[in-house]
Amino acid sequence: QKEVEQDPGPLSVPEGAIVSLNCTYSNSAFQYFMWYRQYSRKGPELLMYTYSSGNKEDGRFTAQVDKSSKYISLFIRDSQPSDSATYLCAMSPAGGGNKLTFGTGTQLKVEL
Amino acid sequence: GAGVSQSPRYKVAKRGQDVALRCDPISGHVSLFWYQQALGQGPEFLTYFQNEAQLDKSGLPSDRFFAERPEGSVSTLKIQRTQQEDSAVYLCASSEPLTPTNTGELFFGEGSRLTVL
Repeated sequence: QKEVEQDPGPLSVPEGAIVSLNCTYSNSAFQYFMWYRQYSRKGPELLMYTYSSGNKEDGRFTAQVDKSSKYISLFIRDSQPSDSATYLCAMSPAGGGNKLTFGTGTQLKVEL
Repeated sequence: GAGVSQSPRYKVAKRGQDVALRCDPISGHVSLFWYQQALGQGPEFLTYFQNEAQLDKSGLPSDRFFAERPEGSVSTLKIQRTQQEDSAVYLCASSEPLTPTNTGELFFGEGSRLTVL
């Protein structure tokens, strides 16, 4: 079993929909939680960063971390075709520097 | 340059050939990472440098994989006697060290796509 599990999709939604992306993990040591977005044939780019439990909002994006359930989520409001990409969750332990363990990625397509 | 630069972007090798992949990190970034991303998978950690020191190579899949960063800037990932299972995108990332005041965000290059025939 992988340390980080993520539904690979693909997920297809209409423009304007609310999108929910999720990851579960097994390593209790993980303290830093991130969401990266990866467009086709590009490198991942950081979208959201959260330390420990809680919520963080940035524009149309909200990241949630529930350490008690070992579950993290990314919500995208008013989704746009430009949001079509693969979304990767990533995490690292305290003291682990920024050596990240990634999920498999969820492929999202937002259709007009 | 403004971002992490990797070359070549695409490499086709015959099984058994040696390949070298280059990474030019963001100027001033002391930390450099190599990740391997197989088709339909997330990136998997290979190795990590802080300046010229290779502090973690636990992710290198075999002794055919070798990485160096001799002057603490440009890094090269070398794969000897390539096998078909080495086919993947090799991503390089650089960052400032993680501290209480910064996220240690990894900035990724676009990757080198290796196909072994």
